[in-house]
Order: sequence, then structure tokens, then C-alpha cells
Amino acid sequence: EAGVVQSPRYKIIEKKQPVAFWCNPISGHNTLYWYLQNLGQGPELLIRYENEEAVDDSQLPKDRFSAERLKGVDSTLKIQPAELGDSAVYLCASSLDTSPEQFFGPGTRLTVL
Amino acid sequence: KQEVTQIPAALSVPEGENLVLNCSFTDSAIYNLQWFRQDPGKGLTSLLLIQSSQREQTSGRLNASLDKSSGRSTLYIAASQPGDSATYLCAVPLGSQGGKLIFGQGTELSVKP
Repeated sequence: EAGVVQSPRYKIIEKKQPVAFWCNPISGHNTLYWYLQNLGQGPELLIRYENEEAVDDSQLPKDRFSAERLKGVDSTLKIQPAELGDSAVYLCASSLDTSPEQFFGPGTRLTVL
Repeated sequence: KQEVTQIPAALSVPEGENLVLNCSFTDSAIYNLQWFRQDPGKGLTSLLLIQSSQREQTSGRLNASLDKSSGRSTLYIAASQPGDSATYLCAVPLGSQGGKLIFGQGTELSVKP
């Protein structure tokens, strides 16, 4: 069974540029999470989807971050414009609604210059 | 507010030693606790999930225990190997079984040959 897929794995951009990350969860997992992980820290949730609905986006900086999960499967997280402080690893995770165990993808490492 | 703490931040042991990693949480009303492994530059791999009604879970050389009343969990690794070198993170969900995970900062383990 394929795991959570994320692309790109690495992205280097200049500040004020836009950037987008893509995630495809494990097949059949209806809950999808985007986390941000700074160096030396544990991940922190940005947004959680149940199917197409964003049920927890309280930590998403909505002035520059947006996310979508139009068909309840894959998801895109966008930053526009990027700032130096956005440099981090962006992790996607998914879970079944019948199980609390979350499974993570390999992450996208973003560097903003 | 739920806070998760992991001590020590880093640990170095010789190969073959049995070791214990600690995780503590401030709010004992948790649904479950999950242990993860993270290799450098990689995503998180789920190791064990303990439901609040359980006291321990085992997988191979790994054993995780949970004491809700004292707000503690331990991850026991038997007969450590160099391949066990990684950062180990514990996390608890906030608000529901599938809620956002609150992570500790992790323990960076190094097993020397």
C-alpha cells in the first residue's frame, strides 16, 4: 500500500514569491492534515480536513496561506507571498475516520531566500 | 492548555544497551498517545499508538507504556542498534481521537557501534 505522497520534496524560492505544495493521502483516508515543522521542533498543525471540509484551520495564517481539498482526496497548500520565516518543513498526514493513527508523508523542505 | 515535554533532548548510548525515552503531558484527559520516529530530512514514521484505556503496546523491540494519571509515557527500546539512531517524538491529540496532534520536541537518539 502506498504511503502519503508529497511533492516537491525540496523547494527554494526568493521572498515574496508564491509557492505551492501538493499532498496525496493514503487511499481511503478521509482526514488530511497539514503540519509545519521548524528545525529542532515538533510539528504544529496548520489545517485539518475531513473530506472536503476544513474543520480546524485556526493556526493557518490566512493572510498569506491558503489550502484546498476540492474532491476530498489530494490537497494543495499555498503560500503567497512567502517570507523568510516560512522556511521550514511542511508535512502532510492522513488518517481513517475509524482510527486515530496519523500517517505522515516525507515532507517538503522549503527554503526562502 | 496541553503541553508535551520530552526529556532528554539528546541521548547517546553504545550498541546493545536497553534504553528508555520519556514523554510527559500536562492534561491527563487524553484519548491516546502516539510515538513516532523521524530520520534526518525525512517525514515521521508511526511506531506505536496507545489508547487511553491501554497501559502498554509492543512492537518488536519497542514497548510503550502509558500512565494517564501521572501524565507520562515511556518508550523502551531493547538491545539498541545503530539503525535505531533517529529522533523520537511523542504526541497526543487535542479535542478528539483524530484531532490535531500536540508534539513534544523530540529526543535525538544516537546508538554508537
